[in-house]
Amino acid sequence: GAGVSQTPSNKVTEKGKYVELRCDPISGHTALYWYRQSLGQGPEFLIYFQGTGAADDSGLPNDRFFAVRPEGSVSTLKIQRTERGDSAVYLCASSLNGYETQYFGPGTRLLVL
Amino acid sequence: AQSVTQLGSHVSVSEGALVLLRCNYSSSVPPYLFWYVQYPNQGLQLLLKYTTGATLVKGINGFEAEFKKSETSFHLTKPSAHMSDAAEYFCAVSEVYTGGFKTIFGAGTRLFVKA
Repeated sequence: GAGVSQTPSNKVTEKGKYVELRCDPISGHTALYWYRQSLGQGPEFLIYFQGTGAADDSGLPNDRFFAVRPEGSVSTLKIQRTERGDSAVYLCASSLNGYETQYFGPGTRLLVL
Repeated sequence: AQSVTQLGSHVSVSEGALVLLRCNYSSSVPPYLFWYVQYPNQGLQLLLKYTTGATLVKGINGFEAEFKKSETSFHLTKPSAHMSDAAEYFCAVSEVYTGGFKTIFGAGTRLFVKA
């Protein structure tokens, strides 16, 4: 079956702009995670959804970052007033119920100029 | 709080040689432990995981890892390296809490395989 997909694969924006990154999880997976991976680093946890609700958003770096999952499937990570330091690969993962293996998407590479 | 330390950001081995990638973790509760591999321009792929039970875990592509609680380690090994094993490897630890778990990744170890 289809894996986790993320769009766009690459996004270039200017400092101060707003961006939205989309994640389509594996069908039927109730848990969805967002991570940020900077160059030379491991993925850094941002937020975890169980169904439609954010079960843990302790990894969001500040209030410029926000994520939604209104119907318990597709999720959108929203970044306001982007800064150059936001440049990274944003990874999405889903799992069947939160306790099972996480399956990762290919990521969205964000570059803020 | 959980944390993961991967010793060595780069490891180089010859083809056919033993692969050993080191991982130490800290966790306040019994952890779930994982190794992921990331090939260039691809997503993370699970190699193996430890949850409970047998401490020696076998994964895909001939890799295995042993959970040693007394040493808080979960080192990854493979008896004989192939050129195709060249990639970035990430160790991760998860703590279970109500509704799921939160996963913390190490900084990664890049494996180079020489012909």
